[in-house]
Amino acid sequence: DIVMTQSPLSLPVTPGEPASISCRSSQSLLYSDGNNYLDWYLQKPGQSPHLLIYLGSNRASGVPDRFSGSGSGTDFTLKISRVEVEDAGVYYCMEALQTPGTFGRGTRLEIK
Amino acid sequence: EVQLVQSGAEVKKPGESLKISCKVFGYSFTKYWIGWVRQMPGKGLEWMGIIYPGDSDTRYSPSFQGQVTISVDESISTAYLQWSSLKASDTAIYYCVRRMVESSSLSGKVYYFYFGMDVWGPGTTVTVSS
Repeated sequence: DIVMTQSPLSLPVTPGEPASISCRSSQSLLYSDGNNYLDWYLQKPGQSPHLLIYLGSNRASGVPDRFSGSGSGTDFTLKISRVEVEDAGVYYCMEALQTPGTFGRGTRLEIK
Repeated sequence: EVQLVQSGAEVKKPGESLKISCKVFGYSFTKYWIGWVRQMPGKGLEWMGIIYPGDSDTRYSPSFQGQVTISVDESISTAYLQWSSLKASDTAIYYCVRRMVESSSLSGKVYYFYFGMDVWGPGTTVTVSS
């Protein structure tokens, strides 16, 4: 099984400042089609999760461009260029190489 | 509008059986995989399993194999998650989610394009308590 490790587990950020979350997988998520099967999801308080980024770096429909995903193989990063109050919640990376996939433990982004 | 509409909250006793549902609106039910994700109180997201409604191909995460059953009723565009004997540790919110993969044929070869778990249901809260 693939193990997903996120860091940090908690991230306090001042509005307007950047934020970065790391995700590492226990095996490469780079598939033979050239894509990295790594997604990012955000779960805001009291809500269902929703998709932010798929295939490592592709923003989902309606996701603001302050969110960006990067990385390849086993190391990935989600960056928020300027955090807004509405970005508070728990961020999960998820490997989609397997069906079903595996989530990381989550990173709680807290607004200072 | 694409929607996954889940059944309402349930309160059950240990040992009872339960079947919760996820009804699809706004797209062809048999086209995309539907998965189930568990979230225990105050905890993270866990994949339970996923089913392809077109042929009922079902994959379970190892932790949930044999513990739950995932099924579909194509006639009413609905996916199900069921337990034969609930435990207190099954208390959680259960989300259904669509796995978006499009396919395209070119020169006799089929190509698949993955777009993430793009539509989530609102969740069904299951409480198991004596």
